[in-house]
Amino acid sequence: SQQGEEDPQALSIQEGENATMNCSYKTSINNLQWYRQNSGRGLVHLILIRSNEREKHSGRLRVTLDTSKKSSSLLITASRAADTASYFCATDHNAGNMLTFGGGTRLMVKP
Amino acid sequence: DAGVIQSPRHEVTEMGQEVTLRCKPISGHDYLFWYRQTMMRGLELLIYFNNNVPIDDSGMPEDRFSAKMPNASFSTLKIQPSEPRDSAVYFCASSARTEQYFGPGTRLTVT
Repeated sequence: SQQGEEDPQALSIQEGENATMNCSYKTSINNLQWYRQNSGRGLVHLILIRSNEREKHSGRLRVTLDTSKKSSSLLITASRAADTASYFCATDHNAGNMLTFGGGTRLMVKP
Repeated sequence: DAGVIQSPRHEVTEMGQEVTLRCKPISGHDYLFWYRQTMMRGLELLIYFNNNVPIDDSGMPEDRFSAKMPNASFSTLKIQPSEPRDSAVYFCASSARTEQYFGPGTRLTVT
């Protein structure tokens, strides 16, 4: 069953704006990861945040993790049309490298 | 590195035919995962291997599905006989640590 649930399911913004996507999960995690999927392609790993971390940055990406609320957010700053894709959170529950993926957020960035 | 390689990229077959999907993981990765992605069900884990041994096949939908990993550089997912509801994009992913690297997928259409 899917543990990670993304919110919103779809998001449309203008280029230059920030995009925020949220992910909730149900049971304790070892780490949480975010992936990106361009149309017709495989998923690409973006960033990983461990259960003992609260915030992590990578370029224009900022991820936060609140283990008390079992939630995470992905912020993309100064979005570009090329950021148009689906974004998935994936939770690692320390079960042999297996990840549980959410349903994804479809982001459209309009030029 | 060439990344995870999948073949074929597209497969169109008739109901009742056998379908074999192939995957070459990234060299040195000891985990291999097979996923299925549809609009209705999202991304589903079918089966995963560690050091060529199947660890969890609880996601395999029916006995019509089987997967093998005869060596560290090759895996197959077979559907026999295929049905229209098997139409989906099938992804193979490999990992050495917790981040997974996805192949480009095989788009299967069963008519």
